[in-house]
Amino acid sequence: AQKITQTQPGMFVQEKEAVTLDCTYDTSDPSYGLFWYKQPSSGEMIFLIYQGSYDQQNATEGRYSLNFQKARKSANLVISASQLGDSAMYFCAMREGLSGSRLTFGEGTQLTVNP
Amino acid sequence: EAGVAQSPRYKIIEKRQSVAFWCNPISGHATLYWYQQILGQGPKLLIQFQNNGVVDDSQLPKDRFSAERLKGVDSTLKIQPAKLEDSAVYLCASRRQGRYEQYFGPGTRLTVT
Repeated sequence: AQKITQTQPGMFVQEKEAVTLDCTYDTSDPSYGLFWYKQPSSGEMIFLIYQGSYDQQNATEGRYSLNFQKARKSANLVISASQLGDSAMYFCAMREGLSGSRLTFGEGTQLTVNP
Repeated sequence: EAGVAQSPRYKIIEKRQSVAFWCNPISGHATLYWYQQILGQGPKLLIQFQNNGVVDDSQLPKDRFSAERLKGVDSTLKIQPAKLEDSAVYLCASRRQGRYEQYFGPGTRLTVT
């Protein structure tokens, strides 16, 4: 079974609008964490946001927020007020275990922001 | 703070040749990772180091891939001999003790012809 599933290969959004990128995960470990990374066409992976399984509140970092629904095993990324520079591939990733730091990545979602 | 450095950025070799990639992590980051990212896919972990010791190399094709981090700082990943299916971007990442997020370098794009 896939540990990380991103069902949207591509998404389009108008500049200044909000967009939600979906991510579902599968783990039996009670201690885990979810990450979102951005990969522009230049290739580098940029860390955006992290949510631990025991964190009570949804993580936020500037225009990025993580909609964490533990019962549904989903960790969707919400980008508010989209900008042209947000156009990139977005990857959801998971680590498992108290001390586990190895990341398992999804297949990614290509986001295009239209002017 | 300087980011993760990798070189070369691009490499083209013929199959059966050997190649080496270098990575210098963020200063003070004890944990270093090498990932392989095939076009259209998410990165896949090849090997994880904690200081100069290997923590996880379960997905490293050990018949052709090797990696070392002798002084616990920079690291080298080698492929010998290369196959066509090794064409990918090789990403190095590092992590600070006590934090979970990993910081990635710009990657090395390898093309095997």
